[in-house]
Amino acid sequence: EADIYQTPRYLVIGTGKKITLECSQTMGHDKMYWYQQDPGMELHLIHYSYGVNSTEKGDLSSESTVSRIRTEHFPLTLESARPSHTSQYLCASSPGASSYNEQFFGPGTRLTVL
Amino acid sequence: LAKTTQPISMDSYEGQEVNITCSHNNIATNDYITWYQQFPSQGPRFIIQGYKTKVTNEVASLFIPADRKSSTLSLPRVSLSDTAVYYCLVGEDSSASKIIFGSGTRLSIRP
Repeated sequence: EADIYQTPRYLVIGTGKKITLECSQTMGHDKMYWYQQDPGMELHLIHYSYGVNSTEKGDLSSESTVSRIRTEHFPLTLESARPSHTSQYLCASSPGASSYNEQFFGPGTRLTVL
Repeated sequence: LAKTTQPISMDSYEGQEVNITCSHNNIATNDYITWYQQFPSQGPRFIIQGYKTKVTNEVASLFIPADRKSSTLSLPRVSLSDTAVYYCLVGEDSSASKIIFGSGTRLSIRP
């Protein structure tokens, strides 16, 4: 069983608030990812990291930012939440060296911005 | 960038074998083919991965022809719990930004 955790699982927040979605993994994986997925729609990669102090933007433009100060921790921050940010956010990790390796996904955070 | 094409949806019945085909005409030499399964309100789960010919694990089989322009995920004797969205991914290690899940195939299993 993969050990990757996301908190909170659900978040309802007002417009303009700053939020941080937490993602932690205990597997020592170098690579971590954030995806955004609307109900019934595709997953879109918004951020990824190959290791500590390494972050890159994914194929979907996002107003969120990420940081990777520790291997196990990959938080995502929205400085000013808007209704357009309402979505499910999924965090994943995979072992280093090769993206051939499977990605382990967390349970997701369902964000609603009013 | 290898784009994949899958059927939007498929229906089958319990106990049947289900085959989901994915087209990837522009697959590159170094690309691997990976399949994930996703249940509602959950993150995707890795099913199987292969490069060529046939790969089998306890969950599924993956058939890849010699030209590698397509692949088929085979689920033996499906049950209701196999109802999910199945994604075919094609890519290699050089850049995580090339990971594209696509729309997937929504598989519905009936009693």
